[in-house]
Amino acid sequence: EPEVTQTPSHQVTQMGQEVILRCVPISNHLYFYWYRQILGQKVEFLVSFYNNEISEKSEIFDDQFSVERPDGSNFTLKIRSTKLEDSAMYFCASQLGSGNTIYFGEGSWLTVV
Amino acid sequence: DAKTTQPNSMESNEEEPVHLPCNHSTISGTDYIHWYRQLPSQGPEYVIHGLTSNVNNRMASLAIAEDRKSSTLILHRATLRDAAVYYCILQTTDSWGKLQFGAGTQVVVTP
Repeated sequence: EPEVTQTPSHQVTQMGQEVILRCVPISNHLYFYWYRQILGQKVEFLVSFYNNEISEKSEIFDDQFSVERPDGSNFTLKIRSTKLEDSAMYFCASQLGSGNTIYFGEGSWLTVV
Repeated sequence: DAKTTQPNSMESNEEEPVHLPCNHSTISGTDYIHWYRQLPSQGPEYVIHGLTSNVNNRMASLAIAEDRKSSTLILHRATLRDAAVYYCILQTTDSWGKLQFGAGTQVVVTP
C-alpha cells in the first residue's frame, strides 16, 4: 500500500537553530498537510497546502514556520528559529482530493534543547 | 467548530466486539463523522467515515443515530493490534483536511 514517508525520524536541535522536516507524500496526491503532537497532548493541525500555496493555517503556524514543495515529490516544513516548545512529533499527511482519505506519515520527532 | 465527546478509555477482551460511542449534539447538516485511530508511536490512521447512513468497511462499522447527534464505531472482533486511541471527528466538506483531534478513547485489548 502506498505510504507517506518522513525524514528524519528523530532530530535533536539546539534552540534557535533552523530545522527542516521532510516528507514524501503519496505520489498522485494533491493536498498536503502538517500536524504536530506535543508529548501527551492532542494532535494539532498546522497547515494545509494545495496548488503550490497554503490554503489554511492554524494560529500555531506563525512566521517561524514555512512550507514548501520544492520539487514534484517532497513537501517540507521549516522552522526558522526553534524554541523549546517546538519539541513535538510532526506528522505529514497527504490526500488525493478533497473528500478522499487523508494518509499520515509515521512522524518526525523533534527535540529542541 | 462542532465538538465531540468520547469516553476516556474502554477495555475489551480479544476477539470480542468493541462499541465506541461518540456524542456530537451540535453537529450541522454538512458535517461528516470521521473516525481515526492512532497506534502507539504512529501517525493517525483513517478508520471510517459517514454522513447519515450506517457504513461498513474492512476495519469497522459506523452506526449513526437517526438524529445524527451520536454515533458508534464498532470493531467486530478486537485484536491486540486494535489497541489504540480512537478519535471521532466532525468534518465539513469545505475544510476536509483540517482535522480537529480531541483526546479520543484509549482502547485496551486484553488477551
